[in-house]
Amino acid sequence: GAGVSQSPRYKVAKRGQDVALRCDPISGHVSLFWYQQALGQGPEFLTYFQNEAQLDKSGLPSDRFFAERPEGSVSTLKIQRTQQEDSAVYLCASSLESGGGRGEQYFGPGTRLTVT
Amino acid sequence: AQTVTQSQPEMSVQEAETVTLSCTYDTSESNYYLFWYKQPPSRQMILVIRQEAYKQQNATENRFSVNFQKAAKSFSLKISDSQLGDTAMYFCAFTSGGSYIPTFGRGTSLIVHP
Repeated sequence: GAGVSQSPRYKVAKRGQDVALRCDPISGHVSLFWYQQALGQGPEFLTYFQNEAQLDKSGLPSDRFFAERPEGSVSTLKIQRTQQEDSAVYLCASSLESGGGRGEQYFGPGTRLTVT
Repeated sequence: AQTVTQSQPEMSVQEAETVTLSCTYDTSESNYYLFWYKQPPSRQMILVIRQEAYKQQNATENRFSVNFQKAAKSFSLKISDSQLGDTAMYFCAFTSGGSYIPTFGRGTSLIVHP
């Protein structure tokens, strides 16, 4: 594809609902990151995939957060029992290199999640 | 843990002038990678410039250049001949050579005035 796409672009969830956020990385990109970006802040690392392998999930804030990339391309970030503190923009980024954040990352437009 | 500090929350500059955004970082490693990313309003974040720590020469990309001071752990971004399209949030990021995981600063909001 032309770039990294994310869907939905906006999501409003009632507290306690489950949500699923999708990321379509650039075809052939090995590395995939999920970040959480609060208003006025920089992206905070959540999790990292190299192909289908989740190499690092140390940034996931709780066991309510789960991410997968089963075929090494599309990835889904799932948040169970959403809380108000989960409100943020969730960014996905992919990179051609296997070196993760050592290479240039291509970012998606983000999904803005609002939990009411 | 590595930290990245951007001490200027907001900056402004007149069109065609030069502006410098500051970034400092803290690490005990000798091999690492530094980045400046630009996030325009309501648009996707894009890479502006990348520097590998073992390269002494400062990276440049057209109007964008860095002043990399390894001993001082400083990585500032200079934008020459500022254009209205340079208005954006600018994030400094650091990835150590032994890690996959980048650390971002809190960003500097740059406004270019006509």
